Amino acid sequence: AQTVTQSQPEMSVQEAETVTLSCTYDTSESDYYLFWYKQPPSRQMILVIRQEAYKQQNATENRFSVNFQKAAKSFSLKISDSQLGDAAMYFCAYRSATGTASKLTFGTGTRLQVTL
Amino acid sequence: DTGVSQDPRHKITKRGQNVTFRCDPISEHNRLYWYRQTLGQGPEFLTYFQNEAQLEKSRLLSDRFSAERPKGSFSTLEIQRTEQGDSAMYLCASSLRVTTNEKLFFGSGTQLSVL
Repeated sequence: AQTVTQSQPEMSVQEAETVTLSCTYDTSESDYYLFWYKQPPSRQMILVIRQEAYKQQNATENRFSVNFQKAAKSFSLKISDSQLGDAAMYFCAYRSATGTASKLTFGTGTRLQVTL
Repeated sequence: DTGVSQDPRHKITKRGQNVTFRCDPISEHNRLYWYRQTLGQGPEFLTYFQNEAQLEKSRLLSDRFSAERPKGSFSTLEIQRTEQGDSAMYLCASSLRVTTNEKLFFGSGTQLSVL
């Protein structure tokens, strides 16, 4: 079974600064997808960024980028120019490429605080 | 696009009672998922539907849990004889399955407290 580990329960960043959230995972599969989701106080999970394991290029979405290290099974999220609205719980998630269902395995989350 | 809607937002019940939650997916989304999130944890997959067919159920879904999606539209999740361990947030997500690039759209969840 796949596992996802987020070792940082809480992180803090000043507005306009950069922060990196860590995620490691364990799998015996070679083809899979990785995700970062944001969960604000409204509780709705929002997709931040997605990475396909077969792609060597790191995914980027505006101020959000990932550092995907397949051999190390590491998938960190970098948030640049942090904004107050970035404050939320961030979850790393794994999905096998086998099968068609989006059965995601989530980590335990990192709470990000953004300070002035 | 009004997003995924879940009702109720909060539910408090006594142990042993039955509860039912409703999820209205984004219209025309053919897939609907249920996840459960306990305090301090990430969501865990429970079950999913493609149209009206329930295609997979997690081992987390005991016999006291039943989910339906009549006519492939809204879905209900019923928990019978609730236990304190059922206290959690129940999240619904929907998607339009066309390619492998499936994107889930989540609702805001139903927070269940079993006293």
